[in-house]
Amino acid sequence: GAGVSQSPRYKVAKRGQDVALRCDPISGHVSLFWYQQALGQGPEFLTYFQNEAQLDKSGLPSDRFFAERPEGSVSTLKIQRTQQEDSAVYLCASSLARGWNTEAFFGQGTRLTVV
Amino acid sequence: AQSVTQLDSHVSVSEGTPVLLRCNYSSSYSPSLFWYVQHPNKGLQLLLKYTSAATLVKGINGFEAEFKKSETSFHLTKPSAHMSDAAEYFCVVTHNQAGTALIFGKGTTLSVSS
Repeated sequence: GAGVSQSPRYKVAKRGQDVALRCDPISGHVSLFWYQQALGQGPEFLTYFQNEAQLDKSGLPSDRFFAERPEGSVSTLKIQRTQQEDSAVYLCASSLARGWNTEAFFGQGTRLTVV
Repeated sequence: AQSVTQLDSHVSVSEGTPVLLRCNYSSSYSPSLFWYVQHPNKGLQLLLKYTSAATLVKGINGFEAEFKKSETSFHLTKPSAHMSDAAEYFCVVTHNQAGTALIFGKGTTLSVSS
């Protein structure tokens, strides 16, 4: 596709439920980033992949959060045993080269609401 | 540690008047700095980027920003606001020298009235 695609766009989960959020980056993009944006706040870094390697996961808030990119393209962010504080928009971005040296393109995000 | 502070949470201007969105940064090394814009129901879009070349950076849609090391500032300006400029604006700094992560400010909401 022409841009970064995220699915689902909206997800409502009951507290304690596991969720999986998908990101389809722009084809050929090496770098992939996940961010969490709480209501009224700026995005906060979660994790970074270079191809299939997860090089930085320092932003993952707890061991309930897990991300993977097994073939270096599509990525999945999984949240186990969701809590109300996990409610946020989860953003994915990809860029052609390593890190932010080339422009990164963001998807529209997945809005997760935990009830 | 790297950080950015956006000095105004909300800025209101009239169409055709100048825009100034203020940002101060803190960095233990020479940072890369960015401004991103977020329109409702749209993804974040890069406006401009500073990476230690020219201190005055020109971006899309007539926006520009000046890197001032002595003031640790990276303010975003536009000579004449347009209604379509109404959006959320984020000042951003690289988290580490490898540039593998970005730190976003809390954002400034720009309102433009006719």
